[in-house]
Amino acid sequence: GAVVSQHPSWVICKSGTSVKIECRSLDFQATTMFWYRQFPKQSLMLMATSNEGSKATYEQGVEKDKFLINHASLTLSTLTVTSAHPEDSSFYICSAPIPVRGSVSPLHFGNGTRLTVT
Amino acid sequence: LAKTTQPISMDSYEGQEVNITCSHNNIATNDYITWYQQFPSQGPRFIIQGYKTKVTNEVASLFIPADRKSSTLSLPRVSLSDTAVYYCLVGGSQGNLIFGKGTKLSVKP
Repeated sequence: GAVVSQHPSWVICKSGTSVKIECRSLDFQATTMFWYRQFPKQSLMLMATSNEGSKATYEQGVEKDKFLINHASLTLSTLTVTSAHPEDSSFYICSAPIPVRGSVSPLHFGNGTRLTVT
Repeated sequence: LAKTTQPISMDSYEGQEVNITCSHNNIATNDYITWYQQFPSQGPRFIIQGYKTKVTNEVASLFIPADRKSSTLSLPRVSLSDTAVYYCLVGGSQGNLIFGKGTKLSVKP
């Protein structure tokens, strides 16, 4: 069935460097993808909506210049954490809606990326 | 987007039926109700979705009363592997669902 693949599953980087996270839709096209962030023992927080061929829409309080989103194709969205700092350490999760005829499209999620900034 | 309220945690034992109720008083006409399961360090997994009355699939049932202001996820005969956080979400076709705090279900032997 339809799957959302996220890579890498974990990454450790030094403060000040940038990290790119990829989110791919397998076997289906996703004109829209969503990026969430989750801190330990907390719920998922929507960061931004990634739109294929156009600019991403960011939620209030999320810095668009720090969290760069690119959705260049119908199957790939990337999130780049620029100039990462320890407070950016978190679990980042992407998702995409799977079209369902006659119903609202449920979201399918990637397995997440654990980012640790040292 | 409609806000949801769920119990923070629930305990159960293996083999029991577990019912988790979610309140969504401000649900809109076009909104569907969707439940997700999340294990630690994994992305949420879709469980079930419904609009009204009852929906059943191979893993759960979803009960929605006529006023749609609440819904109940029913897990039959839970096992230890069902220990997870369960999220109830309400939304339309936009897909940008807002997650509440979820219900942490602990299944004991």
